[in-house]
Amino acid sequence: AQSVTQLGSHVSVSEGALVLLRCNYSSSVPPYLFWYVQYPNQGLQLLLKYTTGATLVKGINGFEAEFKKSETSFHLTKPSAHMSDAAEYFCAVSATTSYDKVIFGPGTSLSVIP
Amino acid sequence: DSGVTQTPKHLITATGQRVTLRCSPRSGDLSVYWYQQSLDQGLQFLIQYYNGEERAKGNILERFSAQQFPDLHSELNLSSLELGDSALYFCASSTPTEWRGRAAGELFFGEGSRLTVL
Repeated sequence: AQSVTQLGSHVSVSEGALVLLRCNYSSSVPPYLFWYVQYPNQGLQLLLKYTTGATLVKGINGFEAEFKKSETSFHLTKPSAHMSDAAEYFCAVSATTSYDKVIFGPGTSLSVIP
Repeated sequence: DSGVTQTPKHLITATGQRVTLRCSPRSGDLSVYWYQQSLDQGLQFLIQYYNGEERAKGNILERFSAQQFPDLHSELNLSSLELGDSALYFCASSTPTEWRGRAAGELFFGEGSRLTVL
């Protein structure tokens, strides 16, 4: 079975500061890992994903995440926060041998302070 | 625009009533998922259908039911509504594993149906 934990339900950063959102997963099989973003009053949209290959993946809006198998982590980072990054971020895991089953973490709300 | 269409966008109803939420997946997507999002519970997986068949079940109440039709659109039926059912209900769709290079689990979400039970 798969599960996802996100450390910190709410994170605040100053504009221009580093953004770090933490995600740890558990999976009995090699996972697919995802970060989704939800802007206010909108649905979730894919930010980036890891399937196989390069462990550092780049996504939209300057975000990237690194898959660390030894730490079972998939933390999301962005070097410089922008006001428009304020949103809810969800980490998700899908087992590669399980057909389309996706498990979401509880989400982290990111606030950007001017 | 994700390509997933949900109707209605907003719905206000009374306790004890029944409502139906509709979802049209992206063209070519066979899987449909339903999620409930509320302030206290976060994003909760309700149920998944694949090509008309129920594939996975999550925290779906017995008062709730869903189905996926031959044209692949899906409906979520909520009955005997309670105040606590007020939430945002999302539909998402996905492509089969590794089809067209997309990984299993890459979901495309609709904008949601906001249900308010008074």
